Amino acid sequence: DIQMTQSPSSLSASVGDRVTITCQASQDVRDYLNWYQQKSGKAPNLLIYDASNLKTGVPSRFSGSGSGTHFTFTISSLQPEDAATYYCLHYDNLVLTFGGGTKVEI
Amino acid sequence: EVQMLQSGGGFVQPGGSLRLACAASGLSFSTSAMAWVRQVPGQGLEWVSGISGGGINVYYADSVKGRFTISRDNSKNTLFLEMKSLRADDTAIYFCAKGTTTVTADLDSWGQGTLVTVSS
Repeated sequence: DIQMTQSPSSLSASVGDRVTITCQASQDVRDYLNWYQQKSGKAPNLLIYDASNLKTGVPSRFSGSGSGTHFTFTISSLQPEDAATYYCLHYDNLVLTFGGGTKVEI
Repeated sequence: EVQMLQSGGGFVQPGGSLRLACAASGLSFSTSAMAWVRQVPGQGLEWVSGISGGGINVYYADSVKGRFTISRDNSKNTLFLEMKSLRADDTAIYFCAKGTTTVTADLDSWGQGTLVTVSS
């Protein structure tokens, strides 16, 4: 089974800071990786698909990169509304593996 | 606009059964793979099960294999999760979500979630 190791598990940053979250796959997952934002009490919201593609309507301060086993999610200039938990997801057709999540506090 | 309205959550005793439903609209349901994901409140996301658009291919997490059954009724644009032999550690918020192809559950839209509580 593929494992997705996400780090850090939490972070605290200031408005305007650059924030980076990583996901490490236990084996090559190509670019079959998405990033989600989840706010308290809500369903996750897709931000980045296929490792580096910004979903339509998502602010451009969010970005993703990587392929294979190492992936990075970046918020270029942290905003107050970005306080949330962020998850990576590897999809292998119908079998899915989530990272453990990163709680971002402002 | 894609919408997925979930129903069927609630309180059940250990060993009991429950059926969740997810009614979708605004999409080509039969060409969308679907999945169930759960989340213990305050914890991370856990994949539960996935099903292809035609309903032929199904997969389960080891934690629910043999107890949960995923199915879909494409004539009614509805996804189901039949849960049996429920345990306390099945207590979670259950989300349905859709994929972008018939066989890829890459979860671009999610339902609102429904809480399942297993307790005596």
